[in-house]
Amino acid sequence: AQSVAQPEDQVNVAEGNPLTVKCTYSVSGNPYLFWYVQYPNRGLQFLLKYITGDNLVKGSYGFEAEFNKSQTSFHLKKPSALVSDSALYFCAVRPADKLIFGTGTRLQVFP
Amino acid sequence: EPEVTQTPSHQVTQMGQEVILRCVPISNHLYFYWYRQILGQKVEFLVSFYNNEISEKSEIFDDQFSVERPDGSNFTLKIRSTKLEDSAMYFCASSGLAGGFVQYFGPGTRLLVL
Repeated sequence: AQSVAQPEDQVNVAEGNPLTVKCTYSVSGNPYLFWYVQYPNRGLQFLLKYITGDNLVKGSYGFEAEFNKSQTSFHLKKPSALVSDSALYFCAVRPADKLIFGTGTRLQVFP
Repeated sequence: EPEVTQTPSHQVTQMGQEVILRCVPISNHLYFYWYRQILGQKVEFLVSFYNNEISEKSEIFDDQFSVERPDGSNFTLKIRSTKLEDSAMYFCASSGLAGGFVQYFGPGTRLLVL
């Protein structure tokens, strides 16, 4: 079955420190991979995507993600976290037309 | 920057009533989607729509659900006879031919069925 796993319900990090939000996927073929962020009472906001090419992709607000085909992972990273990065982050895979989302990881950045 | 818009932002209805959720996708997009998020759970795909027909639907999208693009700008989701378990946040999304088919989401409609 096609699925996305985000093993951490919450990630806590101090402002200025690097952050990683983990994502692994299980899908046949070469899927498109995405990260979205959801702020309270808001919709899903696109952060970045991996389609093909360089395994390290850069996106909005200083975020980047590393695609690892052998580990079927697509971890979200940022070198220096901001308090304003605190939100709910969703990893998603697109094997065909629809998006399959993970359960989400709440990122809390403390001042 | 173009955005997907949705109305209403909140909808409260009685069980058994019909509801119509409205979306205005980004103007040059051709692919349209509905997703839902039950409180505290993950976002789930409902249906995709292209060229005036459904291209894919999930098992959630049963006969009580329908979608329509009544004109050149709106995309609607109708629930004919709402159930308590239909209470959720409903998101509309759209995508175009360029940019790796990124789906852009609206702010959502929170539906509460009493």
